[in-house]
Parts: sequence; structure tokens; C-alpha cells
Amino acid sequence: SQQGEEDPQALSIQEGENATMNCSYKTSINNLQWYRQNSGRGLVHLILIRSNEREKHSGRLRVTLDTSKKSSSLLITASRAADTASYFCATDEYQAGTALIFGKGTTLSVSS
Amino acid sequence: DTAVSQTPKYLVTQMGNDKSIKCEQNLGHDTMYWYKQDSKKFLKIMFSYNNKELIINETVPNRFSPKSPDKAHLNLHINSLELGDSAVYFCASSPAAGRGTQYFGPGTRLTVL
Repeated sequence: SQQGEEDPQALSIQEGENATMNCSYKTSINNLQWYRQNSGRGLVHLILIRSNEREKHSGRLRVTLDTSKKSSSLLITASRAADTASYFCATDEYQAGTALIFGKGTTLSVSS
Repeated sequence: DTAVSQTPKYLVTQMGNDKSIKCEQNLGHDTMYWYKQDSKKFLKIMFSYNNKELIINETVPNRFSPKSPDKAHLNLHINSLELGDSAVYFCASSPAAGRGTQYFGPGTRLTVL
């Protein structure tokens, strides 16, 4: 199965700054999701954006989707130390949407 | 109440042993999954069951055998463990296959010595 690409692989910022991470995928999708994984924990769903949507907001999160470029970005505004985690995008490219394909993840470190 | 639970959380064992990981979800979902996350955090689908029926069986050695006694449970049995099996194994569930939010368990860290 194919794996999406995310960049940067790692990002270090100060509290209060914005964090932007990007994701690219390979084939057509119905939706794209972003998940967070705290160290040693399972993945937690953050936001889902459908292929006919270009932008979606949830609290301090803003997700964009450009299907022509097969890419998405996740913006976390006014970051906090508690945002320190790995962030993964996931698409339903796999076998007509029967499972998710995850990107390689961006590790975000927010220092106070 | 925990939505998706896995046991054990940690599993340390010797090469050649057989071990099982159990997963249960109380969300009433139809579909359950096993993912493997390696040391570089790559997360890859292994198996998926929909209403107790296997719908995805990725290129996984046949030493790995999933079993779904009912749609709330999906267990993973691994025979003849190898060093390369060391990873974190995540169980997940979703209302329907693939699309939509998946709910993940806390993971089982398997270390094969």
C-alpha cells in the first residue's frame, strides 16, 4: 500500500507560535483526516476534510485541502506545550476506502 | 469508559514464542483494524474485519492470525515470533470500513528478544 508524505519530519517552535505541517498523497480520495499521537499513546482523531471542501476549522486547527496538488496542510495557531505530539494525515486511498493510509508523520515540539 | 481497549500494553518475549494481543471496542462499530507502527513511526494496515468477516489482509506473514469472535472483539495471534516483529500494534474501529473517523486503542508495545 502507498504511504503519504509529510513535511517537515520534525518541527520545533515556541509557545504562542503557529505550526504548519503539510501532507501529500498519491491518488484520488474521498476524504483526508489528521490524527495526533502523544508519546506512547494511541492516535486521536483531530479533523476530517472531504474532497469537495477546501478549508475546515476546528478550534485552533485549520486544515486546507488542494485536490489538484494532492496535498493538505494542518495549521495549529497559538501553540501550547500540550500540542507537543506527532501529527499524521490519513487518506482513504486504500482499496476503495476500506482502510486508511497514513503519512509518515510530523513530530512537533512546543517549548515554553 | 475506554472506547477501544487493548491488552496487554507491553509484551516482552523471546524469539520463537507464540503470543496474543486482545482488542475490544464498546462503540458498537462494525469494522475493526490492526495496524503496525514500526520504530520510525510508520503506521501500516495489517488486517481489517467488518462484522466478523476479514476484508483486508495485507502482505503480512501467515504467522500473524487475526480472530474476531464477535464484532466487538478482534484479537491478534502471532506464532514463532521474530526480532522484526518488535513494534507497536494498534487496534482501531470505525462505524464502517475505511471512511470516517477511526478510534484507536492505546497500543501494545511488543518487544522480541
